[in-house]
Amino acid sequence: AQSVTQLDSHVSVSEGTPVLLRCNYSSSYSPSLFWYVQHPNKGLQLLLKYTSAATLVKGINGFEAEFKKSETSFHLTKPSAHMSDAAEYFCVVGAGSYQLTFGKGTKLSVIP
Amino acid sequence: NAGVTQTPKFQVLKTGQSMTLQCAQDMNHNSMYWYRQDPGMGLRLIYYSASEGTTDKGEVPNGYNVSRLNKREFSLRLESAAPSQTSVYFCASSLYTFGEGYGYTFGSGTRLTVV
Repeated sequence: AQSVTQLDSHVSVSEGTPVLLRCNYSSSYSPSLFWYVQHPNKGLQLLLKYTSAATLVKGINGFEAEFKKSETSFHLTKPSAHMSDAAEYFCVVGAGSYQLTFGKGTKLSVIP
Repeated sequence: NAGVTQTPKFQVLKTGQSMTLQCAQDMNHNSMYWYRQDPGMGLRLIYYSASEGTTDKGEVPNGYNVSRLNKREFSLRLESAAPSQTSVYFCASSLYTFGEGYGYTFGSGTRLTVV
């Protein structure tokens, strides 16, 4: 069994300040972990993925995530927020042949 | 452009009407999926097709049927639409079943309203 919890349903940051979107997971197996982004009225786009290689994963648009097994976390960060980062972000966990499980999403607002 | 194409983008149905949502991918992916997205609920799996010729139920299959027409196409049918099926529907595909480390490619969605 597996599950994913996004700890904040809404995060608001000022442009130019750091972004932190938190995700905790549980999995009976070695997990694959993903972050997807969804801009308004668009589909989901893969930001980055962890698949048991390096624990610090770099994605597109300056985003990073760190896999911490001891904390069962996979938080998404970006050093400096841009207006174009305003979107909804989904943390996703998968393991082997089991279906992917999506978190409920975190809406990121960026204040000018 | 390579990717997942969904049609239509928007649809309004009356209760009891039927319709088919179409999905096609041109990436030679083996597996395809239908999700629905509702506010505060994330994405929930309706049906999936691990490979051509196979389909299986996901988390919320009631009221839906699917057809994997060929490797490229995977359709979702609502036989008798209900207001509870008002949602945004996403089709996705992956090279291997459930992504297996590679993730999914998503279509742009179909916004369905049942009145």
